[in-house]
Formats: sequence, C-alpha cells, structure tokens
Amino acid sequence: GQQLNQSPQSMFIQEGEDVSMNCTSSSIFNTWLWYKQDPGEGPVLLIALYKAGELTSNGRLTAQFGITRKDSFLNISASIPSDVGIYFCAGQTGANSKLTFGKGITLSVRP
Amino acid sequence: DGGITQSPKYLFRKEGQNVTLSCEQNLNHDAMYWYRQDPGQGLRLIYYSQIVNDFQKGDIAEGYSVSREKKESFPLTVTSAQKNPTAFYLCASSIETGGIKDEQFFGPGTRLTVL
Repeated sequence: GQQLNQSPQSMFIQEGEDVSMNCTSSSIFNTWLWYKQDPGEGPVLLIALYKAGELTSNGRLTAQFGITRKDSFLNISASIPSDVGIYFCAGQTGANSKLTFGKGITLSVRP
Repeated sequence: DGGITQSPKYLFRKEGQNVTLSCEQNLNHDAMYWYRQDPGQGLRLIYYSQIVNDFQKGDIAEGYSVSREKKESFPLTVTSAQKNPTAFYLCASSIETGGIKDEQFFGPGTRLTVL
C-alpha cells in the first residue's frame, strides 16, 4: 500500500525560528492534508491541498502541494510555544481511496 | 455547535473484559472511522463505515468490532481477543470516503488502559 514518509521523528527549535517539514511518497497523491495534534487530543486539520503546485497559507502556516504530486511541505514561521505538538501529513491517491497518514513529526519549541 | 464527541476520555478495564468506546457526530457526515494510535506509530485504521448499516475492516481489525445503526453513531468494541488493547483511540468522520475533498475531522480521543 501507499506510504507517507515524515522525518525526522522529532524536531527541536527555538521560539521565533521558522521550521519546515516535508512529507514524501513513492506514489502520486491527489490530495494532501496537514494536521496538528496537541498532547492527549485528537488531530486538528490545518491545511488542505488539492492541486499540484498549490500554495496555501493559514496564519503563520504555509503548505505546498509538490509539483511531482509525490510530496508536500509545511512551513511554520516565527514559532511560538503553542506550536508544540505532532504534525501529521495525510494523502489520498484518488477517488474511492482512503486517507494514508504519515507517522508524524513531534515539534518542540524552546522558549 | 457541530463536532465529534468521544466518551469517556479515560477508560480502565480489566484484562479479559470487552469494552465499548462511544463516538457521536452531528456533522451529518456519511463516513466514520476508528483509528488506534500508539507512541511513534502514527494512526492505524481499525474499521470504517461509508454509510449506515455498512462497515469495512481497516488495517488492524482483529480483536475489534463495530456497528453503524445510526448515521450519527459508530461505537467500537474492544474485545478480549485484542492482544494489546491499551492505546489511544481516535474516531473521525468525513462527508464521504474517497470523495474529492475527503477531509477527516477527529474527535478528542479515548485513552484505554487495560490492567
């Protein structure tokens, strides 16, 4: 089946820094979604992407749907302590297919 | 206020007992899902349902059962046959499975601990 790769498993940054994380696959995806999960809570949808090359922002977050359709990137600018959490990517390969999730990247922000 | 509710937030059970986790949504979504989350393993799909009275096994269905008698409700039973039931369980819903915009929305989760 399809796999989505997210690495590294953990990232540590200083408050105020920008951070970029990516999600890659050997398969082509038609939809990319980015979720954030706070400790002990359910994931919350941050950004949805539907078109190759699409660049979408949500506040300090920006995500892009890769041109090859095999990857997506999430950037967080000017990080703050509440950005701490696990960031998951998810993708859908086509109609009638289920979402595939990456294993997530745990982000820590040092004050 | 539309959303997905899961109850309870924390659940403790003795080994060998079946336990049922509740999931309710008022988003009028057709599709509902159950995932299991273990540390470092991401989300693994247990069961999903695309419509009332129908459901399919996901990647790790063994030891679990579900029902979908109402559109709003998709309870998950963790049976005594599940070898490692202690985990964080997440319920999600979407307008439909495999649609053009299959955005899944998650509940707050239930942490099950089997003693």
